[in-house]
Amino acid sequence: GAVVSQHPSWVICKSGTSVKIECRSLDFQATTMFWYRQFPKQSLMLMATSNEGSKATYEQGVEKDKFLINHASLTLSTLTVTSAHPEDSSFYICSVDKGDVVDTQYFGPGTRLTVL
Amino acid sequence: GQNIDQPTEMTATEGAIVQINCTYQTSGFNGLFWYQQHAGEAPTFLSYNVLDGLEEKGRFSSFLSRSKGYSYLLLKELQMKDSASYLCAASNQAGTALIFGKGTTLSVSS
Repeated sequence: GAVVSQHPSWVICKSGTSVKIECRSLDFQATTMFWYRQFPKQSLMLMATSNEGSKATYEQGVEKDKFLINHASLTLSTLTVTSAHPEDSSFYICSVDKGDVVDTQYFGPGTRLTVL
Repeated sequence: GQNIDQPTEMTATEGAIVQINCTYQTSGFNGLFWYQQHAGEAPTFLSYNVLDGLEEKGRFSSFLSRSKGYSYLLLKELQMKDSASYLCAASNQAGTALIFGKGTTLSVSS
């Protein structure tokens, strides 16, 4: 069964609005979750590492004030895209290292964001 | 720097065997992963190699050579449903995010 869930699966919003994406680990506690972004026909690019109870670690070039990450519990991390613009339209995917096979990451189903 | 290279596209016919190659250069190395991703969906785990050699799992096998920084994914008895993007990913340190290649889009025709 599914290990990681994401909500919503897709969202369309107007430019300038904010969108929150949730990532949940379903049957285990995850101290670390990863947020990726994938543009069409491109690879997954790591945006940030979300750590429960502390600040997220952002990759170079990712604006932390634009992509707000909150990992308030061991089963939930949220990514908020603030003041979204059309160039933020992408496929956002979270993943979790469940720890059963070394470093294997399980991915959520992804969220397709379209900013008009 | 860190770099993972794999072919952009491959085509094959049903029932055939296809090998998708991947070369990697990372600052550290803690394992090599292969994921399958269908269009519009999240990647799903296929295989993991940390030691040299071949890991076989049903129709899919994965090979690793650490000294050469090289891996391949072998798909046998291809089926139409195997049409997808195959992502090679490396772990350079335990507990950190994976580094992904751009993926190889495999098209299987009848």
